[in-house]
Amino acid sequence: NAGVTQTPKFQVLKTGQSMTLQCAQDMNHNSMYWYRQDPGMGLRLIYYSASEGTTDKGEVPNGYNVSRLNKREFSLRLESAAPSQTSVYFCASSDRGRRNTIYFGEGSWLTVV
Amino acid sequence: QKEVEQNSGPLSVPEGAIASLNCTYSDRGSQSFFWYRQYSGKSPELIMSIYSNGDKEDGRFTAQLNKASQYVSLLIRDSQPSDSATYLCAVNPYSGGGADGLTFGKGTHLIIQP
Repeated sequence: NAGVTQTPKFQVLKTGQSMTLQCAQDMNHNSMYWYRQDPGMGLRLIYYSASEGTTDKGEVPNGYNVSRLNKREFSLRLESAAPSQTSVYFCASSDRGRRNTIYFGEGSWLTVV
Repeated sequence: QKEVEQNSGPLSVPEGAIASLNCTYSDRGSQSFFWYRQYSGKSPELIMSIYSNGDKEDGRFTAQLNKASQYVSLLIRDSQPSDSATYLCAVNPYSGGGADGLTFGKGTHLIIQP
């Protein structure tokens, strides 16, 4: 059981380049999320998708776009990378409901130079 | 604004002692509460969830919830060096099954001294 799988694990980008982080879950969860984690800032929600076909902004959406391709897959795109987007990115998924337990992927370490 | 507050630490505890981690939250409507453990360079891993006032025990871990005081805690008994990690408190602020994710505290760095 793979859970939440995200790729790539490590990436170095030059300022202005674009890239897409891929995420897939095999737990049949309705909701999927992208968080970023920075030292001293904790986990911050970038975008989320409550169900297939819907996406919404989180706390820090600027500079990012997302696509919920189907129930399994949720991608995060940086159109023009900036050094401020250097971070660790976590994809996560959950079953909606009162309990809303979130399960994380292994993370993607992104450096923008 | 929804907020979850934790002492960043580091919290240093001798091996075998009880580690006590605390968390407060601002949204009185919050219904679900979680503790995640995160080792350096790894992703957060769920270790406890609690939904009702009182204590919930799972092995060496006990989660405590007091909604009136908006306070959640995690106790780790018989602390082991492998418990050294950052512990994240997370809160689901919606009662109806919000899908917009959890609000996380910044985490408490716990060090268990052998």
